[in-house]
Amino acid sequence: NAGVTQTPKFRVLKTGQSMTLLCAQDMNHEYMYWYRQDPGMGLRLIHYSVGEGTTAKGEVPDGYNVSRLKKQNFLLGLESAAPSQTSVYFCASSFQGRGGYTFGSGTRLTVV
Amino acid sequence: AQSVTQPDIHITVSEGASLELRCNYSYGATPYLFWYVQSPGQGLQLLLKYFSGDTLVQGIKGFEAEFKRSQSSFNLRKPSVHWSDAAEYFCAVGAGGGGADGLTFGKGTHLIIQP
Repeated sequence: NAGVTQTPKFRVLKTGQSMTLLCAQDMNHEYMYWYRQDPGMGLRLIHYSVGEGTTAKGEVPDGYNVSRLKKQNFLLGLESAAPSQTSVYFCASSFQGRGGYTFGSGTRLTVV
Repeated sequence: AQSVTQPDIHITVSEGASLELRCNYSYGATPYLFWYVQSPGQGLQLLLKYFSGDTLVQGIKGFEAEFKRSQSSFNLRKPSVHWSDAAEYFCAVGAGGGGADGLTFGKGTHLIIQP
């Protein structure tokens, strides 16, 4: 089925470890986004990309890095995980950056 | 910078009753407005969007929303709710390019349906 696929779905990290979250979309969308969702906070934008090879910071970028080497993939990296990064991470994509986003099903990350 | 306020954290409605979820936004220009729904353990699904034109917009699953510029509101309504409507609802506003540089979300309203 067409859509946005996030891997992994669950992960537990120890403080200081690193990891990469993968987002893949097969809709030929130009725009891709990484959000984090925390209880009572809604969704907050971490980083986004308006096309292959581009990235930009969102509202809460500290502690994260991203890369968009291929149009269909948007990677979110945690260089040194902290307990404050325990969250559910959502990737989304959009055709022209306007209109509705298509969201992935999320990655639940716990940092202990 | 834009912002979104959803005043109700939780709302309980009886099945078959009407529903209205409130959303107020802050943005200097004409906003691009969205409502999303999130079922437990799932991603967000777009219900409807407003860019311009008719201020009453229809969405999926029988939902509608009305844009009121004078009140900076974009409330979501449904005439008769079903048990399957129980979920978290998010209002969002997009700034430049209709959200090209990201949407700003409210904190959500949790909808509970009573039998």
